[in-house]
Amino acid sequence: GENVEQHPSTLSVQEGDSAVIKCTYSDSASNYFPWYKQELGKGPQLIIDIRSNVGEKKDQRIAVTLNKTAKHFSLHITETQPEDSAVYFCAAGTDRTTSGTYKYIFGTGTRLKVLA
Amino acid sequence: DTGVSQNPRHKITKRGQNVTFRCDPISEHNRLYWYRQTLGQGPEFLTYFQNEAQLEKSRLLSDRFSAERPKGSFSTLEIQRTEQGDSAMYLCASSFTLNYGYTFGSGTRLTVV
Repeated sequence: GENVEQHPSTLSVQEGDSAVIKCTYSDSASNYFPWYKQELGKGPQLIIDIRSNVGEKKDQRIAVTLNKTAKHFSLHITETQPEDSAVYFCAAGTDRTTSGTYKYIFGTGTRLKVLA
Repeated sequence: DTGVSQNPRHKITKRGQNVTFRCDPISEHNRLYWYRQTLGQGPEFLTYFQNEAQLEKSRLLSDRFSAERPKGSFSTLEIQRTEQGDSAMYLCASSFTLNYGYTFGSGTRLTVV
């Protein structure tokens, strides 16, 4: 069935270092890949997304890369700050549904700790 | 734009009781989604509305679960005869068009005792 694997499950980095989170998806029909940041007691917040016709996208300290052939996509955070500490989720979205909606399959999350 | 609002934030109920959650999406968003998130896991899709029509339901949504979105505005998710396995965070999200990422609410955390 449809599946998204996410690694690592926890990641600790020193402030100022880079963090990389990797995901692999199984459904070749997936064509939209959002990343969400979830802080304690809050809902997931969209931080960046990428579509299948793009290989890389950058927004300030955050970048996402996509390798469609290998079905891999990654989140890169540079110059990490303590406020980056949160749980990050990747997701793979497909519009190949009977209703035409984007249904996301989420990864299991990565708990990022940025040590000051 | 006050974002997606969910109420209540927390709900503790006894096994066998019925509970109802409410979601108020961003006003101009015509698409509304319900997801369930258990501890240490990513959100799982439950159901989707476009305006007032419920267009898709997950196999996770048993007969004890029902969702409505009257008049295409707010939505309610009801769980009848709750079980301990229903304990989770129930997340609502909305979007304007097919090509935009969801905006999630802060969720309703359900604890069944």
